[in-house]
Amino acid sequence: EADIYQTPRYLVIGTGKKITLECSQTMGHDKMYWYQQDPGMELHLIHYSYGVNSTEKGDLSSESTVSRIRTEHFPLTLESARPSHTSQYLCASSEGHSYNEQFFGPGTRLTVL
Amino acid sequence: DQQVKQNSPSLSVQEGRISILNCDYTNSMFDYFLWYKKYPAEGPTFLISISSIKDKNEDGRFTVFLNKSAKHLSLHIVPSQPGDSAVYFCAARKAGNMLTFGGGTRLMVKP
Repeated sequence: EADIYQTPRYLVIGTGKKITLECSQTMGHDKMYWYQQDPGMELHLIHYSYGVNSTEKGDLSSESTVSRIRTEHFPLTLESARPSHTSQYLCASSEGHSYNEQFFGPGTRLTVL
Repeated sequence: DQQVKQNSPSLSVQEGRISILNCDYTNSMFDYFLWYKKYPAEGPTFLISISSIKDKNEDGRFTVFLNKSAKHLSLHIVPSQPGDSAVYFCAARKAGNMLTFGGGTRLMVKP
């Protein structure tokens, strides 16, 4: 069973607010990822990290930023939330080897009013 | 440009019958393919995978078939159970363990 956690699970917030979505894993995985998914659509990679102090942008452009100060923690921040940011955000992690599946957290459903 | 496509947004199957979920891809650089299962309000969970050097991988009721020449893979579930009702995502891996996901197929298994 995967040990990867996301908080909050649901967030409704007004336009212009700064938000941070938390993601933590206790498996010691080097690689971590953030995906964005709109209802009925594919998951799009928006950020990933190969390890501490490593962050890269994914395939889908996002106004969010991430940090990786500790192996187990990979928070995502939106400085000024907008209605277009309304989506589900999924965090995942995997071991350092190439052929390993990614373990997903339960997701955060964000609604920006 | 959607590199991984699941053309059937939904599939309904009777309990005990076979479920076949399909996935097509365009990028020949993909070397590893995975299927994930997702229940509402939960994150995707890994189901089964296949390397591009194989054409079949089986795990219990789940079998994945890969046809490289057609750039097509399928997931077979036999026999289907009501608990299999979920959204199934096909994913393809490229260098660096980056996954590209399809849009998902919602499977409904009727008792």
